[in-house]
Amino acid sequence: QSVLTQPPSVSGAPGQRVTISCTGSSSNIGAGFDVHWYQHLPGTAPKLLIYGNTNRPSGVPDRFSGSKSGTSASLAIAGLQAEDEADYYCQSYDSSLSVFYVFGTGTKVTVL
Amino acid sequence: EVQLVESGGGLVKPGGSLRLSCAASGFTFTKYSMTWVRQAPGKGLEWVSSITGSSTHVYYTDSVKGRFTISRDNAKNALFLQMSSLRAEDTAVYYCARIYCSGGTCWFDPWGQGTLVTVSS
Repeated sequence: QSVLTQPPSVSGAPGQRVTISCTGSSSNIGAGFDVHWYQHLPGTAPKLLIYGNTNRPSGVPDRFSGSKSGTSASLAIAGLQAEDEADYYCQSYDSSLSVFYVFGTGTKVTVL
Repeated sequence: EVQLVESGGGLVKPGGSLRLSCAASGFTFTKYSMTWVRQAPGKGLEWVSSITGSSTHVYYTDSVKGRFTISRDNAKNALFLQMSSLRAEDTAVYYCARIYCSGGTCWFDPWGQGTLVTVSS
């Protein structure tokens, strides 16, 4: 049961900028819990993209950036490349459920 | 290199049992909590269970409580998920991941490649 809502899909041409929203509530993102983002290509291990709302792990291109405000967070991909075509998930913590870690519903990014 | 490799998936009948394993390497296993996350066909990621480094605390999502048991063997750098009373809705790719915490927040990194569990008669 996903308590974080993401758009099912976003698309853009190579070189364009796309953003993915992650909408939560006062018991998760709005409560101050950090948001993390993962990139997932089918058949492979999900990969950490952004941690602590805005931080990029070593090796992640600076085309990827994260932000958080109120009960929502966003992932932006600038200079879209064909290799960015994947599923993207936000993740946070929820204090109201017995489900400690919560994921977003997932967004499929398509490079046109 | 930090690496996680899952094994133990397969086809099992409803009501059956299966034990998943996750072999860890490249880091001090005992220092980290570990977790299982699954992805059902056509669905998103779902957190399943977590365990602290010394096995003191374990956590489960409601849908698997009483049916799944998470455990670890720190001497062998291994994480396990014992699954019983399996249902069709447990069909998924199961991933193990390390829980990395810093500055009061925790995330999952890295992840294994996953192992497929299919529950069907």
